[in-house]
Amino acid sequence: SYELTQPLSVSVGPGQTAIITCGAKNIGSKNVHWYQQKPGQAPVLVMYRDIKRPSGIPERFSGSNSGNTATLTISRAQAGDEADYYCHVWDSSIGVLGGGTKLTVL
Amino acid sequence: EVQLLESGGGLVQPGGSLRLSCAASGFTLSSYAMSWVRQAPGKGLQWVSAISRSGGATYYADSVKGRFTISRDTSKNTLYLQMHSLRAEDTAVYYCAKEEYGDYWGDWGQGTLVTVSS
Repeated sequence: SYELTQPLSVSVGPGQTAIITCGAKNIGSKNVHWYQQKPGQAPVLVMYRDIKRPSGIPERFSGSNSGNTATLTISRAQAGDEADYYCHVWDSSIGVLGGGTKLTVL
Repeated sequence: EVQLLESGGGLVQPGGSLRLSCAASGFTLSSYAMSWVRQAPGKGLQWVSAISRSGGATYYADSVKGRFTISRDTSKNTLYLQMHSLRAEDTAVYYCAKEEYGDYWGDWGQGTLVTVSS
């Protein structure tokens, strides 16, 4: 089965750049989507089809996908960006989610 | 405005059954594929099941295949997840999510908690 690998945690200081990776074999050939989830809340889409930002998501959020790694980059990180982030792909009509990365901004 | 409202969660004994509902408003269910995604306490998100836009195709995670059934009632604009033979490991918050172009989950409900315990 297809598996997505994310780091358990990423920590950055305020104003720094956070990079969250999502690794899998040839993930560059798939559409990767990213969700942000804050404690006690439902997930929210923050990036879709590798590089597209939904309306309302700050330009500080960007994405890329090539080879075996997809990346969500959060520039000028803020305290409000602290959350769990999940990557998502489809593999033969089966939904696959990464294990999630906890972003800490301290 | 798109709204998804899950209901039907609760406490059920191992081996029991439960049916979750997801009432959709602000859009027509028959025009979109939909998914159920769950989250065990303190754990990550796990995709559970999906139904195609036409309703003619359904898909399941291996962990629930043969025990769960996804369906919809377009007259009620409601998505369902029928769960049988429930196990302790099915304990989770269950979210319904609207698929955009059958690809990404653009809208999510607030979730309903299912607890499987004796």
